[in-house]
Order: sequence, then C-alpha cells, then structure tokens
Amino acid sequence: GESVGLHLPTLSVQEGDNSIINCAYSNSASDYFIWYKQESGKGPQFIIDIRSNMDKRQGQRVTVLLNKTVKHLSLQIAATQPGDSAVYFCALEETGRRALTFGSGTRLQVQP
Amino acid sequence: GAVVSQHPSWVICKSGTSVKIECRSLDFQATTMFWYRQFPKQSLMLMATSNEGSKATYEQGVEKDKFLINHASLTLSTLTVTSAHPEDSSFYICSARLAGLRDTQYFGPGTRLTVL
Repeated sequence: GESVGLHLPTLSVQEGDNSIINCAYSNSASDYFIWYKQESGKGPQFIIDIRSNMDKRQGQRVTVLLNKTVKHLSLQIAATQPGDSAVYFCALEETGRRALTFGSGTRLQVQP
Repeated sequence: GAVVSQHPSWVICKSGTSVKIECRSLDFQATTMFWYRQFPKQSLMLMATSNEGSKATYEQGVEKDKFLINHASLTLSTLTVTSAHPEDSSFYICSARLAGLRDTQYFGPGTRLTVL
C-alpha cells in the first residue's frame, strides 16, 4: 500500500526565517501532490499543489519542489510569520484514484 | 476558492445514539465527496468516497453499516454514525472536488464528535 511519511514531526523556526518541510512517498504511481495547512480544530487549508510533470511550483511566499527520482516532496515557506504556525500535511493522489493519502504531518512553530 | 461547510461543528452524544453530519459544497457542484476521520495528533484517514446517486465506497476496515453515507444531491453528502460509542469520538472532515474536473479537494471545517 501507499505510505507517505515526513522527516520531521516538529519544526521550530524564528520569525522571518525560511522554513522547509519535507515529505517522502513510496508509490511511483502518484501523479498529483498537495500541501495543506491545518490549524487547531479546523479543516485542512489548501496551500499549493504540483503535478508529476513539474518539479517546482511557486506561490505567494511558498514553493513546492518535487523530486520524482527519490520520491521526495518539500514545501518552502519564505519569511515565516507567526500566522504560519500550524500542522502541515503533504497529500498525494494516485493515478486513477481520486482519494488523497495524507502524510503524518509536521508541526511548524514560529518563534517571535 | 470553493467553500465546503459542515454541520454541526461539534456534537456531544450518549453512547448508543446515532449522529448525522452534513457536508455541503456551497458554491459548486461536487459529484464526489470524501469523508475523513482524524484522531488527536494524527493525520487524516480516508473513511469513504461518496458518489452522488450511487453507493459510497468504503476503505478497508471501515464498517459501512456503522458509518452510513448518503450523497443525495450534487451539493450535499451526509455521514451518519450509528450506535455511536466512545471510540467513535473523533474529528470528522469532509472534502469535495469540482464536478467534471480533476482539481484539488476542498475541505470542510470539520465536526468534533464526542461520545459519552
């Protein structure tokens, strides 16, 4: 079965620093990847996505990098702010299966 | 972006009772909705895929007779937890995708169920 894992369960950064959250996956049939942010007691909030035909995508203060060779996904947050404090999940969709498989999550703590 | 709502946002019930949770796509039609369950400090686990006008598809280990799913319209899916027990206490989250498009899933705010 598919497994999606994260390297660091908790990441603590100083306000203004850049944050990098990593995710590893095992199924090479995965072709769509999404990063979600979840604040306490709320549903996941879409941050950014990337399809398997790309290796980088940028949004506002966020960048997602995809390395299909080593099955690795990362989320970079520039100039991290206290409001970025949350749990971040990577999720992936396998070809032909519309449901998402979620990683275990990384808690980002931003120190003022 | 697309908005998905859930009702209620939280519910407390006695053991043995049934609880219904609604998931609505407010500004788009969703032929497919998904139900997830999340225990404290854990990730989201898919319970079932809800298809408008047909039976839901349940993940392995999820009892279809305990977690009844109805997707009666393109904007509404319901999850009924029947004969709830304390171990069913969890955060239930639904998501929906835009009809006819391969697009990201939009999540509802979740429903906190506590079974006494």
